[in-house]
Amino acid sequence: AQRVTQPEKLLSVFKGAPVELKCNYSYSGSPELFWYVQYSRQRLQLLLRHISRESIKGFTADLNKGETSFHLKKPFAQEEDSAMYYCALSGPLTGANNLFFGTGTRLTVIP
Amino acid sequence: EAGVTQFPSHSVIEKGQTVTLRCDPISGHDNLYWYRRVMGKEIKFLLHFVKESKQDESGMPNNRFLAERTGGTYSTLKVQPAELEDSGVYFCASSQVPRVNTEAFFGQGTRLTVV
Repeated sequence: AQRVTQPEKLLSVFKGAPVELKCNYSYSGSPELFWYVQYSRQRLQLLLRHISRESIKGFTADLNKGETSFHLKKPFAQEEDSAMYYCALSGPLTGANNLFFGTGTRLTVIP
Repeated sequence: EAGVTQFPSHSVIEKGQTVTLRCDPISGHDNLYWYRRVMGKEIKFLLHFVKESKQDESGMPNNRFLAERTGGTYSTLKVQPAELEDSGVYFCASSQVPRVNTEAFFGQGTRLTVV
């Protein structure tokens, strides 16, 4: 069965420090992996997806099929990065109309 | 641009009462999705509408939950009777094409607390 694991519920880093939010997944096949973010009092929104191989707001995420991981990284955290981050996957087993989310990690960047 | 709007933003009700959540999708979006995040757990898919029809309701937890989308515009999600384990955040999303992962816009969510 598909599963997305985000081991850290809470993560605090100082401004300017590197940040890594962990995500591991379990899926029979080749899923699409995503990171979603919800800033305080804002909507849940797509941050980035693995197939785009892009950097959004300084964040990157590399899909490691061997380790079945899709960790989100940023070299220098900013205060405005404080938010709730969700890793998610979709694929033939879940359907493009059905995202499968992890439990989320609340990131706090300390000034 | 108006986004996906959910009402209310917060709701506190007693166990056994009825609550109705509303979602107004982006105008013109035929696809509407409901998700929920129960405390401490992952965000889970509930169901998917295409216009007024239920395309996929495999995630609905039980028959205490009723979703409707009359006229294919806004949608309501009714919980009757509410139980303590229904507490959580209910998200709605909409999209023009049936592809929630890359094309959908989410609402801010409704935080439901059942006491």
